[in-house]
Amino acid sequence: GDSVTQMEGPVTLSEEAFLTINCTYTATGYPSLFWYVQYPGEGLQLLLKATKADDKGSNKGFEATYRKETTSFHLEKGSVQVSDSAVYFCALRWGKLIFGQGTELSVKP
Amino acid sequence: EPEVTQTPSHQVTQMGQEVILRCVPISNHLYFYWYRQILGQKVEFLVSFYNNEISEKSEIFDDQFSVERPDGSNFTLKIRSTKLEDSAMYFCASSELDLNTGELFFGEGSRLTVL
Repeated sequence: GDSVTQMEGPVTLSEEAFLTINCTYTATGYPSLFWYVQYPGEGLQLLLKATKADDKGSNKGFEATYRKETTSFHLEKGSVQVSDSAVYFCALRWGKLIFGQGTELSVKP
Repeated sequence: EPEVTQTPSHQVTQMGQEVILRCVPISNHLYFYWYRQILGQKVEFLVSFYNNEISEKSEIFDDQFSVERPDGSNFTLKIRSTKLEDSAMYFCASSELDLNTGELFFGEGSRLTVL
């Protein structure tokens, strides 16, 4: 069945470092791809999305490009802040929304 | 900004007891979902609901689980006889459309602890 695989966490970075969180997917159809973020003690919030191949989603300095050839949707940010510390979930939607296992990011000052 | 609200935020119950988790989806949304997240694990799909019917359910959603939209605003998840392994964070979500491009809006979750 459809699935999403993310890189293992936790990821610990210093402020202003470059961030990459890898995400790959397996799908039988043509899903849309999403990144959701969960800040401590809060629910899941949409960070960005891409609905077709080669689309780039971006928000709050984060971006991810839908790569059909590599079935990937890696999340990147050029300069992370302490406030970016959270758990990041990659997800695909083909019918229901299916999540990866989540990657915890900790940014130190 | 419209939001999905869930109650209670935390419930502790004894094994074998019935639990009802409540959700108020965004008012103009028509599609409703429940997900759960066991501590340290991935967020898992339980069930989707539209037009007063279950659209899809996962293997997790067995006969112990049921969902209901008792009125025009609430969407509930009932666990008939809780087990220790039901301990998890339960997230309600809603969406305006059932398109693959559509975003699901999530509540902050209800943490269920079964003792």
